[in-house]
Amino acid sequence: DTEVTQTPKHLVMGMTNKKSLKCEQHMGHRAMYWYKQKAKKPPELMFVYSYEKLSINESVPSRFSPECPNSSLLNLHLHALQPEDSALYLCASSQDSLRWETQYFGPGTRLLVL
Amino acid sequence: GENVEQHPSTLSVQEGDSAVIKCTYSDSASNYFPWYKQELGKRPQLIIDIRSNVGEKKDQRIAVTLNKTAKHFSLHITETQPEDSAVYFCAASKNTGNQFYFGTGTSLTVIP
Repeated sequence: DTEVTQTPKHLVMGMTNKKSLKCEQHMGHRAMYWYKQKAKKPPELMFVYSYEKLSINESVPSRFSPECPNSSLLNLHLHALQPEDSALYLCASSQDSLRWETQYFGPGTRLLVL
Repeated sequence: GENVEQHPSTLSVQEGDSAVIKCTYSDSASNYFPWYKQELGKRPQLIIDIRSNVGEKKDQRIAVTLNKTAKHFSLHITETQPEDSAVYFCAASKNTGNQFYFGTGTSLTVIP
């Protein structure tokens, strides 16, 4: 399996809702990433997990809470989001994050916050 | 931190012509430079990458060149086809942390 998968594909939520995004890879990669991408903009790094430990948090608001239950899974828990959080959320993985490595992206979850 | 600039922001070429996209970076410690293609509504997909110990790399119609002294790298697409139409992002990364710094993207349109 050479793919990163993400669920759901689309998500609409209100500002008081709690939801979770899920990412999975079975390539044996030990680094996983969450990115946020607005239309016509490059991906913005949010979090990096290396060997199941959070290694980078790019000053992301606490309404976004990442979780890495095991080496294949990465979740992003969402709570009390704002309309400006509407975006494409991309997950990526790489062999590890300790040196230069290609990152492989999932298809993304398109999130709309009402 | 690293700052990656990408030009042009939009590019239109006739089918069969070549397209060139250029990126510059600021941190001389950056040593890995991938290029991603993102079609509308799709994920970014790696199309080619280059490491700092190499000056040029080619894969069929796609090539990337790197000038470490000038701190710039370029994507070259020859014999463009309509399916090459997409947004292209360059990125730079260092040897530790594997944090990608993306350019602002180039929207390429190939006119049949």
